[in-house]
Amino acid sequence: GAVVSQHPSWVICKSGTSVKIECRSLDFQATTMFWYRQFPKQSLMLMATSNEGSKATYEQGVEKDKFLINHASLTLSTLTVTSAHPEDSSFYICSARDLSRDRFKAFFGQGTRLTVV
Amino acid sequence: KQEVTQIPAALSVPEGENLVLNCSFTDSAIYNLQWFRQDPGKGLTSLLLIQSSQREQTSGRLNASLDKSSGRSTLYIAASQPGDSATYLCAVIKAGNMLTFGGGTRLMVKP
Repeated sequence: GAVVSQHPSWVICKSGTSVKIECRSLDFQATTMFWYRQFPKQSLMLMATSNEGSKATYEQGVEKDKFLINHASLTLSTLTVTSAHPEDSSFYICSARDLSRDRFKAFFGQGTRLTVV
Repeated sequence: KQEVTQIPAALSVPEGENLVLNCSFTDSAIYNLQWFRQDPGKGLTSLLLIQSSQREQTSGRLNASLDKSSGRSTLYIAASQPGDSATYLCAVIKAGNMLTFGGGTRLMVKP
């Protein structure tokens, strides 16, 4: 099946610094990728939809200047958490669809656990 | 706005039992419904995908059903094993290819 790779799998950073998370579709092209956030013992919440070559669409309540999304190629989307604070500590997951094979099935990266100290 | 609810939130059973996990959604105009498994601290693994025109899908010991008109889906796990312990999430997909997730059911299968 299609593979989505996310890097890094975990990161610890100091308050005020920025962290970049990468999401790659390894064997297919993804014009659209999605970024989710999951707090402990809660379900995933969609943060934004990343579109190749255009601006991302952010969900209500998600600060676009804080969570910078770049989808520069058909296989790579990045999420940058800028000026991170402890409340940004969470599990971030990306997902993509392989429209050439199964446009309905979503594949997920392994997630990135961000801890801001 | 689509809302997805999963019941129960947590479940603990002895090994060998057959289980039913429930998922309900408020807006029946969906493209499809997908069940996932999430192990602690890990990403999501897709288990079963049911398209809106289908009523059920089966994979091994797993069977998922979909009743769009009533806004319900169930995940049936036969002969549960300790390795089935995880959080099970259902998600519905509507316009724009966005998934709306339920809160999940945390399953513990005791040996």
